Order: sequence, then structure tokens, then C-alpha cells
Amino acid sequence: GAGVSQSPSNKVTEKGKDVELRCDPISGHTALYWYRQSLGQGLEFLIYFQGNSAPDKSGLPSDRFSAERTGGSVSTLTIQRTQQEDSAVYLCASSPQGNIAKNIQYFGAGTRLSVL
Amino acid sequence: DAKTTQPNSMESNEEEPVHLPCNHSTISGTDYIHWYRQLPSQGPEYVIHGLTSNVNNRMASLAIAEDRKSSTLILHRATLRDAAVYYCILRDGDTGTASKLTFGTGTRLQVTL
Repeated sequence: GAGVSQSPSNKVTEKGKDVELRCDPISGHTALYWYRQSLGQGLEFLIYFQGNSAPDKSGLPSDRFSAERTGGSVSTLTIQRTQQEDSAVYLCASSPQGNIAKNIQYFGAGTRLSVL
Repeated sequence: DAKTTQPNSMESNEEEPVHLPCNHSTISGTDYIHWYRQLPSQGPEYVIHGLTSNVNNRMASLAIAEDRKSSTLILHRATLRDAAVYYCILRDGDTGTASKLTFGTGTRLQVTL
């Protein structure tokens, strides 16, 4: 079946512009996660959705970052007034249920964001 | 979160077994041990997980020490396609905090002919 889909695969933007990154999770998965991976850095958690609500937003680095999920499906990560340090690969993952430690997370290929 | 320690890098020859170690001396009784890997230019991919007993699946085997303070991911016959960064991750079995994966630096596995 279809996996986690992210779009765009690459995004180049100018400093100060807003960007929206999209994630289509695996059908039926109630949990959705956003992570980012900066050059030379590890993967860091950003936010977790269970259905349309976000019980854990602890990883969002600043108030310029926000995310929403509608219909228990598609999610959008928005970065306002982008800065060069926002350049990274943004990864989305989904899981049948979020709060079960043995559940597997399935990752998309990511969106590579470059802020000039 | 309980922390894991892995070697930065390992090398293997193709067709040979690979044992990737992970230390997690502060593991709690409810922590699951997960392994993910990330191939170049791809998102992470689940490999295997376990709680107390050794586990086998089509990709790998997971050997968990009796005291659970360490584990080893075993690739039985490494191929060039197994070259990736392998992450050992603990996930809290407490449903209130089990959501996110906390990635460390992982082990970069190189496989040569």
C-alpha cells in the first residue's frame, strides 16, 4: 500500500518568507509526527498528533513553527519568517496509534528545506 | 529519557554477519528497545524491537542481555544495501510519554565488497 507521502520533496525559499510543508500519512494511521534533521545533526522531534489534536508540541523550536492536522489525516507544518537555521530535512512519520511504545513509526522521504 | 550509547561507525564485508551493539544501562522496566535505520537520502526505516526476549524478523535479529542493559542488532548477512546509520532507541512503555522517538547519533555501518 501507499506509504507516508511528503510534499514538496525540495523547497528553496528566501529568508523571511513563510513556507508550508505537507504530510499525507498512511491511511488509517491515527498518530502523526514531525521531525527534522539538520545537516550534521541527528533527528529531532518536533510535534506529535493523535487524531487532530497535538498532545506533545514540546519540540517546536520557536513560535514561528506551527502545525495542524485536519480530518485526522493530512498535516501541514508551517514555518513563518524563515531563517537560515531552519534549513533542514523535515520528516513526517505516522503510526497506527501514537502512545503505544511497541508501535512502529513509518517515515516519509522528507522535505529538504533550504533558506537562502 | 533513558540514554543509549552506540559506536560511531562500524565496517563489515559483504555476506558476513554484523553485530551492532547498544548500551542502555539506565533502561527502565517499561522501556522497549527499538532499532531504526536510515539509508542515504531516505527517511528512517523500522528494523526491529523487543522488550525482554530475543526477537527475529526478516530483516534482522535482536539479542537483549539478561539484565537489559545492552542489546545487539544482528544482520545475518550484510549486503551493500545495508549500508546505513543504525539507531538504537528506547521507548517508554508509559502511554503518556511513549509517543516520540528520541534519536541519538547512531552507528554508521559501511559494507564493502
